[in-house]
Amino acid sequence: NAGVTQTPKFRVLKTGQSMTLLCAQDMNHEYMYWYRQDPGMGLRLIHYSVGEGTTAKGEVPDGYNVSRLKKQNFLLGLESAAPSQTSVYFCASSHWGLAGTANTGELFFGEGSRLTVL
Amino acid sequence: AQKVTQAQTEISVVEKEDVTLDCVYETRDTTYYLFWYKQPPSGELVFLIRRNSFDEQNEISGRYSWNFQKSTSSFNFTITASQVVDSAVYFCALSELAQKLVFGQGTRLTINP
Repeated sequence: NAGVTQTPKFRVLKTGQSMTLLCAQDMNHEYMYWYRQDPGMGLRLIHYSVGEGTTAKGEVPDGYNVSRLKKQNFLLGLESAAPSQTSVYFCASSHWGLAGTANTGELFFGEGSRLTVL
Repeated sequence: AQKVTQAQTEISVVEKEDVTLDCVYETRDTTYYLFWYKQPPSGELVFLIRRNSFDEQNEISGRYSWNFQKSTSSFNFTITASQVVDSAVYFCALSELAQKLVFGQGTRLTINP
């Protein structure tokens, strides 16, 4: 009963280092998302994907790249980390069917990944 | 562009009081979805409710109720007889046909014993 799994849960980076956050879902959802959460800012969408092999920019995409090579996985990459990218990152997945269909549009979230950039 | 505003940054009440969390949204679409999520101190995000734009019926689930009014673009959330376990950050969110959710800034609710 895994749902959405994010790895790693915690990471400390130095400015300029690179890293990748992995998100895996086992619900066969078409849509996957990466959000960041900062105090007082709510959750802001970084990138999202509407299906395998497709990605799109969200509200705050700069400094991040994503890939969706497999339907169940959505990777978030930081090529050159900056202190401004210190945040909690949440991955989510969803299914969009007909209006009124069970679970339509509901985002299932991972537990979050806390990233600190020094 | 879609936008969600939760004007109440923090609310603090005494246990057993009723409390209403406000949510105002902006959208150009006639078809959209509204959501509420709860984030307890443990940090996970918990789905509470989804409403589509064609269903303005109010919803009640135990001590929780939601009032959706298209005329004022609001989707408010009321907790009746609040309990300490209701303490959390609550997020309202909106999705248009693009199927990406935009969240409000969140309201931190503290229920004091």
